[in-house]
Parts: sequence; structure tokens; C-alpha cells
Amino acid sequence: DAKTTQPNSMESNEEEPVHLPCNHSTISGTDYIHWYRQLPSQGPEYVIHGLTSNVNNRMASLAIAEDRKSSTLILHRATLRDAAVYYCILRDPYGGSQGNLIFGKGTKLSVKP
Amino acid sequence: DGGITQSPKYLFRKEGQNVTLSCEQNLNHDAMYWYRQDPGQGLRLIYYSQIVNDFQKGDIAEGYSVSREKKESFPLTVTSAQKNPTAFYLCASSIMVSELNEQFFGPGTRLTVL
Repeated sequence: DAKTTQPNSMESNEEEPVHLPCNHSTISGTDYIHWYRQLPSQGPEYVIHGLTSNVNNRMASLAIAEDRKSSTLILHRATLRDAAVYYCILRDPYGGSQGNLIFGKGTKLSVKP
Repeated sequence: DGGITQSPKYLFRKEGQNVTLSCEQNLNHDAMYWYRQDPGQGLRLIYYSQIVNDFQKGDIAEGYSVSREKKESFPLTVTSAQKNPTAFYLCASSIMVSELNEQFFGPGTRLTVL
């Protein structure tokens, strides 16, 4: 499976934008880039996913590098509720796997008031 | 509201006892999953089910068992054969088993074996 690399932790101030990076230099042409986040003592929740083009939804934006070897999750205005561990995950719809999510250690985002 | 419920939130058991964790979903999803999470780690797949009366082992199935008699329910039994059962257990569901489908997670059950 293609691997992802994320910083262990990041800090942000409330109401400021946050850019969470993810490196995936061995990404294959059919891998989708998914982001999930996990708030303390809760189950993970889906944030966003994309293949090649940048994506926006109500929670965040996903910026994908032209060579697809890296991506950035953008929270436009961080709130205290955004403090969580953010996971960048590659998923290949043609990989024949079990469909499960393979989580690394993610980036722990702290938001200061 | 549609979603996934897990109960109980916290569970304590003595070593050597079997224990069953509940997972119910009303999202009408075909696929359901059980994951285990240890402190500071990512999730690891225990079992998954693509459809009623069918389930498959995941990466760490030893010491666990499941059943899928109803579409909305996927209980997990942690048996005495599981060497280190203390962990945070998460149940998830998706429309079907697919690498593209979003997975929806329950709130988790934190199991402590004394």
C-alpha cells in the first residue's frame, strides 16, 4: 500500500487558516486522497477526498499538487472544535482490498483561543 | 437522525471473561466494520461484513468473533483468547465495501480488562 507522511503535530490560533500537509510520493495513478479526523475520545469522521483536482466542501478544502505527490488540507477558519487528529489516507478503488481504512498516526492539531 | 450507535461507552471486564460489544446502524448500509485503536495509534481492522450472514477476517481477527444476522446489527465478541483486549473499539459502516465509499463511525467503546 502507498504510504503517507504527516507531521506529528501542529498548532493554530482560533479564526486563522490552517494548512495540514501530507506527503505521498509513492501514490499510484488510481489512488484517491482521503482525509478523516478524530476528535478526542470519538470515532473518526470523513472530511474530504479528491483525485487530481482541488476540492471544496463545507468542512474544508483539499489542494492536490500537480504531480500528486503531496496534498494539503485547508481549514479556512480554525475553531476550537477543529482540534483533532487529522489522517491523510490513500484509497485505491481497484486495489481489491477489504475496503477498510488504513490509518497512520496522523497530525494532532491544537487550536489556541 | 441516522447514524451508528455503540454501547456501552465504557466497559470493564475481568480477565478470562468473554464480552460482547454492540453496534447498530440505521443508515441502511450493507457494509459494516470493526476496528481496534490503541493509545496514540491508528485504527486496525478486526472484521468486516459486506452483507447479512457474511463476514470476513481483517488484519487482527484472532481472539475475536462476530455475527451479522441482521443488516443493522454487527456485534463483536472479545473472547478470552484475545491476549491484550484493553483498547478503544470502533464500529463503522458504509453503503458497500468499496475504496471510494465514505465510512461512518460510531462513538466507540472503551474496553478495560482488569
